[in-house]
Amino acid sequence: AQTVTQSQPEMSVQEAETVTLSCTYDTSENNYYLFWYKQPPSRQMILVIRQEAYKQQNATENRFSVNFQKAAKSFSLKISDSQLGDTAMYFCAFMRGAQKLVFGQGTRLTINP
Amino acid sequence: SQTIHQWPATLVQPVGSPLSLECTVEGTSNPNLYWYRQAAGRGLQLLFYSVGIGQISSEVPQNLSASRPQDRQFILSSKKLLLSDSGFYLCAWSGGTGKNWYEQFFGPGTRLTVL
Repeated sequence: AQTVTQSQPEMSVQEAETVTLSCTYDTSENNYYLFWYKQPPSRQMILVIRQEAYKQQNATENRFSVNFQKAAKSFSLKISDSQLGDTAMYFCAFMRGAQKLVFGQGTRLTINP
Repeated sequence: SQTIHQWPATLVQPVGSPLSLECTVEGTSNPNLYWYRQAAGRGLQLLFYSVGIGQISSEVPQNLSASRPQDRQFILSSKKLLLSDSGFYLCAWSGGTGKNWYEQFFGPGTRLTVL
């Protein structure tokens, strides 16, 4: 079974700093997809960024980028120039062809002014 | 543009009472639909998913059931709630026009408390 592990339950940084959230996963599949979702206090789940495993290039969305290491089964999220609005729970998630998302336990990120 | 609605937003129910949570999607047709549950301080767990009307797959044996009576409507039900059914329930959809098929988009959720 696929599992997703986020080893950092909580993180805290100052506004404008860069922060990296870690995620590792376990699978024997070769083709799959990885995601980072953000859940602010409103609890709405928001898709932040996605990575297709067949793509070697790391995905980037504005201030958000990933470091995808397929051999190491690692998928970290880097947030540059962090903003107060980035304060949220961040979930790493794995999907293979069956469209079933498997989520990690989440990292609570706090951006301090 | 596509939107997803869930109601009610908050629900407090006694143990043993029935449950019906509703999810509807607008602006797309034939979406894949999903029900997730999030226990306090934890990640999401997939409960059910549907690829079409009347087609339901269950991921976790439990006290809950799901139905899809219309293309863009997904209902989560229970005949008798248990204390362990408390949690935050999220509906999601995927497969819309102009979207990557593998991207799931979530509704605002329903907070269920069973007393």
